[in-house]
Amino acid sequence: KAGVTQTPRYLIKTRGQQVTLSCSPISGHRSVSWYQQTPGQGLQFLFEYFSETQRNKGNFPGRFSGRQFSNSRSEMNVSTLELGDSALYLCASSGTGLENYGYTFGSGTRLTVV
Amino acid sequence: AQSVTQLGSHVSVSEGALVLLRCNYSSSVPPYLFWYVQYPNQGLQLLLKYTSAATLVKGINGFEAEFKKSETSFHLTKPSAHMSDAAEYFCAAPIPLAYSGAGSYQLTFGKGTKLSVIP
Repeated sequence: KAGVTQTPRYLIKTRGQQVTLSCSPISGHRSVSWYQQTPGQGLQFLFEYFSETQRNKGNFPGRFSGRQFSNSRSEMNVSTLELGDSALYLCASSGTGLENYGYTFGSGTRLTVV
Repeated sequence: AQSVTQLGSHVSVSEGALVLLRCNYSSSVPPYLFWYVQYPNQGLQLLLKYTSAATLVKGINGFEAEFKKSETSFHLTKPSAHMSDAAEYFCAAPIPLAYSGAGSYQLTFGKGTKLSVIP
């Protein structure tokens, strides 16, 4: 079965712009989580969506937002981009319940803010 | 509080030598633990998963990990390193989200260990 698909793979934006990243989870997975990865901070949790509802949110400013659609596809948006937002953004999907737990990650979107 | 701690941000081994990457977990996490590998400019790939069925877990690419409750450890090993094993490795555990209702977990990661393999 198809894996987690993230688009686009690479993105260059200017400070002050906004950006939208997309993630299509594995078929049947209803949980989608987003992470930001930087060399200095490592993997930091952004938010998780389950059945179109944000179930959990990490410690990021309100400029970072997301949503999930009825087909479980998810988008995350970053407004008023800052240089420090340059990072690899990873999306992961998971089944429900601990017995099915185990994230499957996409290849990520590399965002560069100039 | 940190749920998983990886000892050593960078480990170097010679090709053919034993690989040992260390991970310790908080006793409060559920007994589910994961190791992921990340190659440059790629996402994370699941290496193996512990789900209480057996304490020694075998994963892909010849890796295995042993769950030791007495030591709260879940170290990753491989008998003989290969050049293609050079990557970053992450230990992870799901922490329950009490405020989000039963069955809600967030996967929390260690800071990662970068493995270099010397020819």
